[in-house]
Amino acid sequence: DAKTTQPPSMDCAEGRAANLPCNHSTISGNEYVYWYRQIHSQGPQYIIHGLKNNETNEMASLIITEDRKSSTLILPHATLRDTAVYYCIVRVAYGGADGLTFGKGTHLIIQP
Amino acid sequence: DVKVTQSSRYLVKRTGEKVFLECVQDMDHENMFWYRQDPGLGLRLIYFSYDVKMKEKGDIPEGYSVSREKKERFSLILESASTNQTSMYLCASSSPGLTTSRYEQYFGPGTRLTVT
Repeated sequence: DAKTTQPPSMDCAEGRAANLPCNHSTISGNEYVYWYRQIHSQGPQYIIHGLKNNETNEMASLIITEDRKSSTLILPHATLRDTAVYYCIVRVAYGGADGLTFGKGTHLIIQP
Repeated sequence: DVKVTQSSRYLVKRTGEKVFLECVQDMDHENMFWYRQDPGLGLRLIYFSYDVKMKEKGDIPEGYSVSREKKERFSLILESASTNQTSMYLCASSSPGLTTSRYEQYFGPGTRLTVT
């Protein structure tokens, strides 16, 4: 699996857009980018995933660069409840036979 | 909304006890997973099941067994609990269909198990 690199921590003001970067320069053609988050003392929460097109859902937007070597998760109007550790992972979407593994992620702190 | 529930949020057991952790999902998902999460070690897969009565070992199955008698329920069993099994246990489910991704997993709230 491709390795990902994320900043260890970021701050964002409440109400502003939070932009979380992820580098995955060794991504292969059939690997998707997934984002999860984990709020303290809760189970991880799936956010979004994408292959090469930008994706948007009710939680966030995912912007993937044209060369697919990096991506950005955007939380458009961050709230205090968005304070969490955010994980970017790269996996083949179908046919995988193993579970999820998270790196260290980015600890996003939303400031009031 | 997908809902995955786990039988307990906190559990304290004694060394040598048999421990049952239950997980139920309400989205008719075929795949179910049990993970444990420890500081510094991250998320590790214990077992997963892709169908009723089917199971596959994950990365750390030793000391654990599982049971899936019904599609919505996946149980993790610690045959004889030991202190090194003190951890946060997380259950997840997903659907393996061609239009959805196995790695789009939905997690329960977790059970923090302490073995003394």
